[in-house]
Amino acid sequence: GAVVSQHPSWVICKSGTSVKIECRSLDFQATTMFWYRQFPKQSLMLMATSNEGSKATYEQGVEKDKFLINHASLTLSTLTVTSAHPEDSSFYICSAIRTSGRVNEQYFGPGTRLTVT
Amino acid sequence: AQKVTQAQTEISVVEKEDVTLDCVYETRDTTYYLFWYKQPPSGELVFLIRRNSFDEQNEISGRYSWNFQKSTSSFNFTITASQVVDSAVYFCALAGWGGANSKLTFGKGITLSVRP
Repeated sequence: GAVVSQHPSWVICKSGTSVKIECRSLDFQATTMFWYRQFPKQSLMLMATSNEGSKATYEQGVEKDKFLINHASLTLSTLTVTSAHPEDSSFYICSAIRTSGRVNEQYFGPGTRLTVT
Repeated sequence: AQKVTQAQTEISVVEKEDVTLDCVYETRDTTYYLFWYKQPPSGELVFLIRRNSFDEQNEISGRYSWNFQKSTSSFNFTITASQVVDSAVYFCALAGWGGANSKLTFGKGITLSVRP
């Protein structure tokens, strides 16, 4: 099956610093990727839709200036958490859409656990 | 707006018992997909099934079975003869058709504990 990777798998950073998380589709091209966030013992919530070559579309309540998304190639989307605070500590999961004919398959990355101290 | 309701939050069963996880959804789309995912303690989502809105046929895969009832907007998941390895959080999810519409709306998840 298709593989999506995320890097790093976990990261600890100090409050006020920025952290970049990468999402790569390893064996297919993805014009669309999604970023989800999951707080402990909660569900996954969509943060934004990342579109290759254009600006990301953010869900209501998600600060676009705080969560910078760049989808500069068909295999890579990055999420940068700027000026991170402890409340940004969460599990961040990306997914990538592979289109085969008329079928769209969504593949998830393994997630990145961010802890802000 | 799309919504997925998983009314059960935690279920505990003894190994070999059957267990059904409920999922009710709301959508205005006439074409959509329904999913079940398993999330073990490692956090990585494990895809279990995808069902499109045109196909109401029930599906069985080993000990897993799914019952899709469009009339009641439900997509329930049954594990037969549960095992300790089935312990995880299970999410039901809903997506539209294609491209950016593929974004998933997840239910709150059901924590399943299977005791030996």
